Amino acid sequence: GAVVSQHPSRVICKSGTSVKIECRSLDFQATTMFWYRQFPKKSLMLMATSNEGSKATYEQGVEKDKFLINHASLTLSTLTVTSAHPEDSSFYICSLTTGTTRGAFFGQGTRLTVV
Amino acid sequence: QKEVEQDPGPLSVPEGAIVSLNCTYSNSAFQYFMWYRQYSRKGPELLMYTYSSGNKEDGRFTAQVDKSSKYISLFIRDSQPSDSATYLCAMSSGGSYIPTFGRGTSLIVHP
Repeated sequence: GAVVSQHPSRVICKSGTSVKIECRSLDFQATTMFWYRQFPKKSLMLMATSNEGSKATYEQGVEKDKFLINHASLTLSTLTVTSAHPEDSSFYICSLTTGTTRGAFFGQGTRLTVV
Repeated sequence: QKEVEQDPGPLSVPEGAIVSLNCTYSNSAFQYFMWYRQYSRKGPELLMYTYSSGNKEDGRFTAQVDKSSKYISLFIRDSQPSDSATYLCAMSSGGSYIPTFGRGTSLIVHP
């Protein structure tokens, strides 16, 4: 499978500030990566599909101006939570598929706490 | 009705027990079925991947898919405390690489 590195694993920020989360594919060139949000005891919620060299595709109900996604290279996608508020506190996870299997490979996740 | 239903548990079993985890689904287009293990504060890890109906075995883990009943299972033999985690089922159709996830079942294996 693919190795996906996500950073930081945990971040605490003040309300109104922006936070950037990085997702790197260490051994696979990923044209497509995915960003999920997970609430406690809830399933993974797909936020957006990140496409290398083009705009991300956002799921219904996800504010694209709030959650900025940049997929600048085949190995790096970033999610920036802009003007964060306490309700943005959550666990954010990136993933990719290699194409040889329909399974997805996930990063370690980022626990965002907005105070 | 959600596309994928999974009992959140928690499911508590003694060490050495056989664990059965299950999901049901409603979308008959699903052809690819996956199980993930997620430890607390970590990303999910792909455990098993199955295409269409049938069984697949990997060590202590066995995945079963019954498309006629729209029911999938994951069996864990000789369960260990290190198996304590949340197990998520996921599935996708032939035209999509994006899986639909269940909400996960919390498993606790006590010594």
